[in-house]
Amino acid sequence: EVQLVESGGALVRPGRSLNVSCAGSGFSFGDYAMHWVRQPPGKGLEWVAGISAYGGTIGYADSVKGRFTISRDDARNSLYLQMNSLGPEDTAWYYCAKDLNSWYEKSWFGPWGPGTLVTVST
Amino acid sequence: QSALTQPASVSGSPGQSITISCTGTRGDVGSYNLVSWFQQLPGKAPKLIIFEGSKRPSGVSNRFSGSKSGNTASLTISGLQAEDEADYYCCSYSVRTTYVFGTVTKVTVL
Repeated sequence: EVQLVESGGALVRPGRSLNVSCAGSGFSFGDYAMHWVRQPPGKGLEWVAGISAYGGTIGYADSVKGRFTISRDDARNSLYLQMNSLGPEDTAWYYCAKDLNSWYEKSWFGPWGPGTLVTVST
Repeated sequence: QSALTQPASVSGSPGQSITISCTGTRGDVGSYNLVSWFQQLPGKAPKLIIFEGSKRPSGVSNRFSGSKSGNTASLTISGLQAEDEADYYCCSYSVRTTYVFGTVTKVTVL
């Protein structure tokens, strides 16, 4: 059974940085693209970033480009999101999602983790 | 590019069929057969129920079906059950934003 578990969510001050992680199990992690999708509490979904299998290609939403960095460590079956220059608009549940394919564009998000909450506030 | 347009709410009685629309543009829904649908139960992560417009992942009930016409995709839930009460989101690949989600539809079972 595919399992994804995010961690690292926290309360941070505006302008600070935070790194969230996602541990995958139950599938061949390195063979699949992975994504981060976020959801502000009580609001809709927003795709944040995607990374292809083996990390060959990466993409970001315009809202986070230049501030967030997605990466993966296939030896550790882990996905990461380094978030810099955080603002209140980044407050959200952050979900990692396994793609159905090895490429992240023109594809689909399969199983999701339960999410980790990032709150940016003074 | 803002979110794809979905009705805010749809309701139906048990056993009935309901349809949720998802309207985009030629730059997303209209140009690609890359629409997916997600069900989100309260306090839970979204769950993929339809991909590639009309395909169901293993384990998803065949009461869920998807279709597309032009710039509008649709999700139909047949034989509505109490357990179907949830939030539903569509999602499409977009030439401008890579992926764009819909505005959420709350399904209520009367």
